[in-house]
Amino acid sequence: EAQVTQNPRYLITVTGKKLTVTCSQNMNHEYMSWYRQDPGLGLRQIYYSMNVEVTDKGDVPEGYKVSRKEKRNFPLILESPSPNQTSLYFCASSYLVVQGFPYEQYFGPGTRLTVT
Amino acid sequence: EDQVTQSPEALRLQEGESSSLNCSYTVSGLRGLFWYRQDPGKGPEFLFTLYSAGEEKEKERLKATLTKKESFLHITAPKPEDSATYLCAVQLILTGNQFYFGTGTSLTVIP
Repeated sequence: EAQVTQNPRYLITVTGKKLTVTCSQNMNHEYMSWYRQDPGLGLRQIYYSMNVEVTDKGDVPEGYKVSRKEKRNFPLILESPSPNQTSLYFCASSYLVVQGFPYEQYFGPGTRLTVT
Repeated sequence: EDQVTQSPEALRLQEGESSSLNCSYTVSGLRGLFWYRQDPGKGPEFLFTLYSAGEEKEKERLKATLTKKESFLHITAPKPEDSATYLCAVQLILTGNQFYFGTGTSLTVIP
C-alpha cells in the first residue's frame, strides 16, 4: 500500500529537549515536505526537499532542521523545542512532473506535538 | 497579508442541498491550484489540480473551477460522507516547489 508514515503520532515533551519526528514514504517520490497546522493559520510549509541531499526552507523554518540522506526518509528535528512549536505536524511526498515541479502531495497521518 | 483566503470558514448543509466553497488568491504568477479534503484526525487527501482560468475538474459530487483570481469547489447534492474540511493551496511559477494553503472550509452535511 502506497503510504507516508510518521512517528511518533503523539509526543509530549519539555522545553529544550531535542526530538526527532520521522517520516518515510514507499512511493519512490523525489519531493518531500514538512508542514505544521495551527488553528486559524492553516497549513504552513516548514522545509521541503527535491531529492537526496537537497533541502530548502519553506515559510516557517525557524527552530527546525531537516536532512535527506535517503530518498524514502525525511526526518524533522527540533534541537531545542519551545512551547510555540506545539502544533500538528504533517509530512508529505510527491512525484515530480515533467517540468520538475511537485504535483499532488500524499500526506502522512500527522504528529501531534506538545511542548511544555 | 494572506495570499490564499477560503470562505466561508464553516458551512452546514442539509443532505441534497448544493453549494459552493470559495478559494481566492492575491498572488500573481499562479502555476497551479490544488484542492484537498481533510477528515478529522487525518492528513489531507488530494482532490484536484487546476492550472488555467476556465479549467474545470469533476469527481463524483464535486466540481472545481478556476478563474484568474479564485477557484470554486461546487458540491452537488451532498451526502453526510462529504462532511470534511476542504483546503486549497496555490503553487506559484516563481517558487514552484512551495505550496501556500488557505485555512480551509469546514463542511457539515446533515442527514
